[in-house]
Amino acid sequence: AQSVTQLDSHVSVSEGTPVLLRCNYSSSYSPSLFWYVQHPNKGLQLLLKYTSAATLVKGINGFEAEFKKSETSFHLTKPSAHMSDAAEYFCVVSGNSGYALNFGKGTSLLVTP
Amino acid sequence: SQTIHQWPATLVQPVGSPLSLECTVEGTSNPNLYWYRQAAGRGLQLLFYSVGIGQISSEVPQNLSASRPQDRQFILSSKKLLLSDSGFYLCAWSTSGGRGETQYFGPGTRLLVL
Repeated sequence: AQSVTQLDSHVSVSEGTPVLLRCNYSSSYSPSLFWYVQHPNKGLQLLLKYTSAATLVKGINGFEAEFKKSETSFHLTKPSAHMSDAAEYFCVVSGNSGYALNFGKGTSLLVTP
Repeated sequence: SQTIHQWPATLVQPVGSPLSLECTVEGTSNPNLYWYRQAAGRGLQLLFYSVGIGQISSEVPQNLSASRPQDRQFILSSKKLLLSDSGFYLCAWSTSGGRGETQYFGPGTRLLVL
């Protein structure tokens, strides 16, 4: 079965410092992997998607993620945090069926001044 | 461009009352449509998906049902709400491809059952 584990439920960084949100995945085939962001009481917005074209994926708002097959990881990074980055972040892997996405439990990012 | 709408945005309902949540998509044809529930601290759970009008697949047995009366309309219903139905309900769409298609989410409906 396909699954993801987000290693930190909460991450706190200072504004202007780097962000690292960690995600490990488990998949029996070459997966599609996603990162979504959710601001309070809002829907989910796609940050980026990995589909095997390139291991380093660039997304919106300065975020990027690197697919590492040997480590089964897909960590999300950003060089410099902004206050507006404070939100819930979800790592997602495509599921067994053609349609299901398997979500991690989320990482809450807090950005302090 | 494609847009997905959900309403209502917020709903407070008594236990045992019926429910109808609506989702519509604009700017695309023959999308796959999805209903998810997000309960506090539990991530997102896929409830239903649909690949066409009248075609509904249920992922989790529960007190809810879904219908797709039109190509770009997806409705989530219940005849009698339970306390455990409280949560944040998200509708999503994707193109009608295979595994790994990107899903795009609506703004969500916050449901509180009292």
